[in-house]
Amino acid sequence: NAGVTQTPKFRILKIGQSMTLQCTQDMNHNYMYWYRQDPGMGLKLIYYSVGAGITDKGEVPNGYNVSRSTTEDFPLRLELAAPSQTSVYFCASSYRSGSSYEQYFGPGTRLTVT
Amino acid sequence: QQQVKQSPQSLIVQKGGISIINCAYENTAFDYFPWYQQFPGKGPALLIAIRPDVSEKKEGRFTISFNKSAKQFSLHIMDSQPGDSATYFCAASMTGANNLFFGTGTRLTVIP
Repeated sequence: NAGVTQTPKFRILKIGQSMTLQCTQDMNHNYMYWYRQDPGMGLKLIYYSVGAGITDKGEVPNGYNVSRSTTEDFPLRLELAAPSQTSVYFCASSYRSGSSYEQYFGPGTRLTVT
Repeated sequence: QQQVKQSPQSLIVQKGGISIINCAYENTAFDYFPWYQQFPGKGPALLIAIRPDVSEKKEGRFTISFNKSAKQFSLHIMDSQPGDSATYFCAASMTGANNLFFGTGTRLTVIP
């Protein structure tokens, strides 16, 4: 049981490049989330999904896109990378949303945009 | 706007001491308050959580104290160990919401 896996672990992008951060979970969770973690700022929700084919914006969605074609996968797309997107990105999943449902996090992707 | 305010930013405690991390919130609709523990290079993992109908929850050496009237909650780590050295995040959520609002984190270092 791998839980939540993310690839790549590290990536350096040039300004204006695009990339996709991959996230897969094997717990059959309906809910999946993307967060970014910046030093001294905690985690901020970028996008979330309540099931295959359904996604919605979180607190900081600008510059990102997501899709959810299967229960297992929830990729995050950066179309035109900017230095402000330098961050550590975490994918998470949960059985249900909101109160009292534990979110399980992946190991993160450290992205640097220069 | 930070929905959950956390302090201190960093904390150094001697082995065997008590570590205390505090959080405060404004939104009275919050009804779930988890604490997450994050080791370097890893994702956060749920440590302990509380709902506002109780004032305290204890799991082993970890205790959450909750003060509903003051809109504050805190994590106490008793008999702190070097293996507890990590970053701790408080968070809050509400029924029906899809978002966890995280505090800014506290980096705990326990000195042997």
